[in-house]
Amino acid sequence: NAGVMQNPRHLVRRRGQEARLRCSPMKGHSHVYWYRQLPEEGLKFMVYLQKENIIDESGMPKERFSAEFPKEGPSILRIQQVVRGDSAAYFCASSGRGYFYEQYFGPGTRLTVT
Amino acid sequence: SQQGEEDPQALSIQEGENATMNCSYKTSINNLQWYRQNSGRGLVHLILIRSNEREKHSGRLRVTLDTSKKSSSLLITASRAADTASYFCATDPDSGGGADGLTFGKGTHLIIQP
Repeated sequence: NAGVMQNPRHLVRRRGQEARLRCSPMKGHSHVYWYRQLPEEGLKFMVYLQKENIIDESGMPKERFSAEFPKEGPSILRIQQVVRGDSAAYFCASSGRGYFYEQYFGPGTRLTVT
Repeated sequence: SQQGEEDPQALSIQEGENATMNCSYKTSINNLQWYRQNSGRGLVHLILIRSNEREKHSGRLRVTLDTSKKSSSLLITASRAADTASYFCATDPDSGGGADGLTFGKGTHLIIQP
């Protein structure tokens, strides 16, 4: 039973470029969450999605960030016109249901903006 | 404001000793979860305790929850070198249908000395 998969594991982008991070949830899971971890800090919630729906994006920066979870394929976190402050580890988690259930995390994508 | 906050920030003990980490939070919760993160890796779910539970065991792990004090503790008994990692508590707030994302603290960095 494959766990949550994220790719790429490491991504280097120059300022102004776009970053696309992918997350494939565990088999049978339809709830996906994205978190960001800045150096020396804990994780911060960004967005919660179900298939084809954004349920809660209260943690997403208002500009340049977007997320989707299409009917087919992985969830995508997209960062346009990246800046140095976007450098962080981005973790995706999935769960079988939204409330009361464990979230299983992927290995993360480490984004470095140069 | 930080929902879950772990204490201490760092802990170094001898192999074989017990390690205790604490977590405090601010708002009412549905459940509280503990995660482990090895350096450079993704999060691993350790244990979930629901708001109506007071204590839970899993192998060498023992978690307590005191909702009146809004605090939880994680005890690792008979520690091993492989337990060296950062430990995070995460709360699932009882937000009445709002965000389903967990809120993480900054973690306790545990070092087990051989």
